[in-house]
Amino acid sequence: DAKTTQPDSMESTEGETVHLPCSHATISGNEYIYWYRQVPLQGPEYVTHGLQQNTTNSMAFLAIASDRKSSTLILTHVSLRDAAVYHCILRVNQGGSAKLIFGEGTKLTVSS
Amino acid sequence: EAAVTQSPRSKVAVTGGKVTLSCHQTNNHDYMYWYRQDTGHGLRLIHYSYVADSTEKGDIPDGYKASRPSQENFSLILELASLSQTAVYFCASSASGTGWAEQFFGPGTRLTVL
Repeated sequence: DAKTTQPDSMESTEGETVHLPCSHATISGNEYIYWYRQVPLQGPEYVTHGLQQNTTNSMAFLAIASDRKSSTLILTHVSLRDAAVYHCILRVNQGGSAKLIFGEGTKLTVSS
Repeated sequence: EAAVTQSPRSKVAVTGGKVTLSCHQTNNHDYMYWYRQDTGHGLRLIHYSYVADSTEKGDIPDGYKASRPSQENFSLILELASLSQTAVYFCASSASGTGWAEQFFGPGTRLTVL
């Protein structure tokens, strides 16, 4: 069962900053929050991850709420290449290993 | 650059036939995974492995077998393919199953069972 909730779709225009929300109300203390993105006919690509603190890398900024029940992936100056399905995922520890629990993701459309 | 390759990239199979999907990684990773994705949905874990000659069941293992003959290779086997197994299958690898380790995904295999 997916443990995250995301909007089905969002639209943006090139150059804008986009905020992609994700709700994970039942998150456990040791579960990491991952974001992957996927374009048609390709496998998911890692974007970023976090546990408690906000994180940033060359691809995005991840803002995590203080209670960890929600997070927001922030994409600045989006381009057409940022159009993809963005998956907010929890990494669940199970039986000495860990697995990614995917939801359906948010389809981000970018127009010129 | 991490690399996970899959073969074939697409396949049409008949109901009741045997299908083998192959995955090869050059990342020197211990963990490998098989997922399936149905149109418009997220990925679901079928099998995974953390060492050669050993496999573990994921969330939806029924109807699938897995084989890990070496660190680099991981196969998914459908002994008796069924219509409901039509999907896109992704293989992934990661350096660790614990911690935050990033999973690197292959390009996918589109399987159609007729």
